[in-house]
Amino acid sequence: DAGVIQSPRHEVTEMGQEVTLRCKPISGHDYLFWYRQTMMRGLELLIYFNNNVPIDDSGMPEDRFSAKMPNASFSTLKIQPSEPRDSAVYFCASSLGGASTDTQYFGPGTRLTVL
Amino acid sequence: AQKITQTQPGMFVQEKEAVTLDCTYDTSDQSYGLFWYKQPSSGEMIFLIYQGSYDEQNATEGRYSLNFQKARKSANLVISASQLGDSAMYFCAMRSSGYSTLTFGKGTMLLVSP
Repeated sequence: DAGVIQSPRHEVTEMGQEVTLRCKPISGHDYLFWYRQTMMRGLELLIYFNNNVPIDDSGMPEDRFSAKMPNASFSTLKIQPSEPRDSAVYFCASSLGGASTDTQYFGPGTRLTVL
Repeated sequence: AQKITQTQPGMFVQEKEAVTLDCTYDTSDQSYGLFWYKQPSSGEMIFLIYQGSYDEQNATEGRYSLNFQKARKSANLVISASQLGDSAMYFCAMRSSGYSTLTFGKGTMLLVSP
């Protein structure tokens, strides 16, 4: 079975540009999570969805960030406009359910560099 | 509130030796799961092993085992017979019944030398 798929793997953009990160969760998984990883702050949860519905977006840094999940097999994280401090690795993860026994499986990540 | 503490920023071990990576946790929930992930230099997050709070036996997955001490709220990862490919960052994480999300520790960098 394919794991979580993310694209692009690397993105270099200039400050002020729009950036869109994409994720395809594991088929059948009802939960999807977006994380950001930086050296300073470690792994941070940005937002998560249950059955395509955003449940908790309290980790989204500011209005420049938005996330959507139009269907069970696709989600996007958009940054508009991007800033150098957004440079990080962005992970998408999915899990079968929301129970404490459910493992989250991570995608390979998107390394974003904003110049 | 949930909290994961990994007190070892870095660990060194020689190839073929066993190593223990420490993890302590704090939660008021009775039902929770503990997870370990490996992040090699290539950057991906790889799930290694899971331990449930109600599991009576320690989890094992190949060379990985989890030393679970519930009363002490610790869930240490034991890697037996270390290999060079084990060099990576290791994260302990927890998911409790009251939260759908994972709480991560800051990680331990493991370096395996020949």
